[in-house]
Amino acid sequence: GDSVTQTEGLVTLTEGLPVMLNCTYQTIYSNPFLFWYVQHLNESPRLLLKSFTDNKRTEHQGFHATLHKSSSSFHLQKSSAQLSDSALYYCALSDRHNNAGAKLTFGGGTRLTVRP
Amino acid sequence: EAAVTQSPRNKVTVTGGNVTLSCRQTNSHNYMYWYRQDTGHGLRLIHYSYGAGNLQIGDVPDGYKATRTTQEDFFLLLELASPSQTSLYFCASSDREGDTEVFFGKGTRLTVV
Repeated sequence: GDSVTQTEGLVTLTEGLPVMLNCTYQTIYSNPFLFWYVQHLNESPRLLLKSFTDNKRTEHQGFHATLHKSSSSFHLQKSSAQLSDSALYYCALSDRHNNAGAKLTFGGGTRLTVRP
Repeated sequence: EAAVTQSPRNKVTVTGGNVTLSCRQTNSHNYMYWYRQDTGHGLRLIHYSYGAGNLQIGDVPDGYKATRTTQEDFFLLLELASPSQTSLYFCASSDREGDTEVFFGKGTRLTVV
């Protein structure tokens, strides 16, 4: 089945430094959809950005990611971290088949803490 | 924005107990999902449905039943609750396949003692 790997469980960095959260995936389907969801403390996950186009940069709210099918990666980046970016970030994978809806397979999550 | 409402928000039950978690979405979405969230495991899909009367098995279905009674309502049933089912449960919905956003409820925290 599908799988998503987020190698860092915890990332702590100082405000103003760049952010990079890693995400790699495995799927047998050639056209996967990749997502980043963000979950702030005591809130529910919400969509941050998504992509299904190979080698095209997707941006939203200062974050960006590029889907690279050649390396099965979809890393999340931001040029300068803010205190408000502290949250749990999930990478997720979906593929379209058999009335599965947006059946998301999530990675284990990366908790980002930004300190002053 | 899509509205997904879960009840109860918190529940404590005993081992072997019977629990029903409820979810209602008011945005005419076809697809509904139940996830559990555990530290180190992320969000894992328990069951999902693409319409009233339909049920699909997710990735971690053991110990759970689910029923979709209407387009709006999706229930998760734990008939013999165990401590391993202590978790934060999220219901979610979406309107179509593949690249669409999934909207989550606020979650139900279940503790099995």
